[in-house]
Amino acid sequence: KAGVTQTPRYLIKTRGQQVTLSCSPISGHRSVSWYQQTPGQGLQFLFEYFSETQRNKGNFPGRFSGRQFSNSRSEMNVSTLELGDSALYLCASSLAPDRGRNEQFFGPGTRLTVL
Amino acid sequence: AQTVTQSQPEMSVQEAETVTLSCTYDTSESDYYLFWYKQPPSRQMILVIRQEAYKQQNATENRFSVNFQKAAKSFSLKISDSQLGDAAMYFCAYRSPNTGNQFYFGTGTSLTVIP
Repeated sequence: KAGVTQTPRYLIKTRGQQVTLSCSPISGHRSVSWYQQTPGQGLQFLFEYFSETQRNKGNFPGRFSGRQFSNSRSEMNVSTLELGDSALYLCASSLAPDRGRNEQFFGPGTRLTVL
Repeated sequence: AQTVTQSQPEMSVQEAETVTLSCTYDTSESDYYLFWYKQPPSRQMILVIRQEAYKQQNATENRFSVNFQKAAKSFSLKISDSQLGDAAMYFCAYRSPNTGNQFYFGTGTSLTVIP
């Protein structure tokens, strides 16, 4: 079974631009979560989607948004990029939101650099 | 909010020796899950071990075991017979039914294995 895939793996943008990252969960997984990883802040939760609905959202500005499609694939979008948005963005998938029991499987991440 | 603290930014261990990574957490909940994830240089987060708070028995997975002290809110990871492939960043993480699939991560411990 294929793992979680994220595209692109690397991305370079300039301040003010917009970016869209994609995550394809493991087949059969319907829950997708996104995390931002930076050296200074560590791993921070962005949001979680299940059945095309956002179930939970972290403490990030409205420039960060996401969506999930009927095939469970998810995208996250960052508008008006700032230098501080440079980070590794990780996606994780699980079968369903289940009170925390199910294991989450992480993708390899997308490295975003904002110049 | 839940917080997870890893007080050892870096650790090193001789190959074949044993090392213990520390993690403490703060929560007012009684039902939760604790995890150790490994992130090698390839960046893919891999689940090492999981502990349910309601289980008193410490979880073990081959060379990896935990010392879970619920009253002290401590969750340390012991790696026995360390191997070169164990070199990675190790993250302690917390999840609870109240937070769904949202992880709260510690800041990580970078483990070096010395041949």
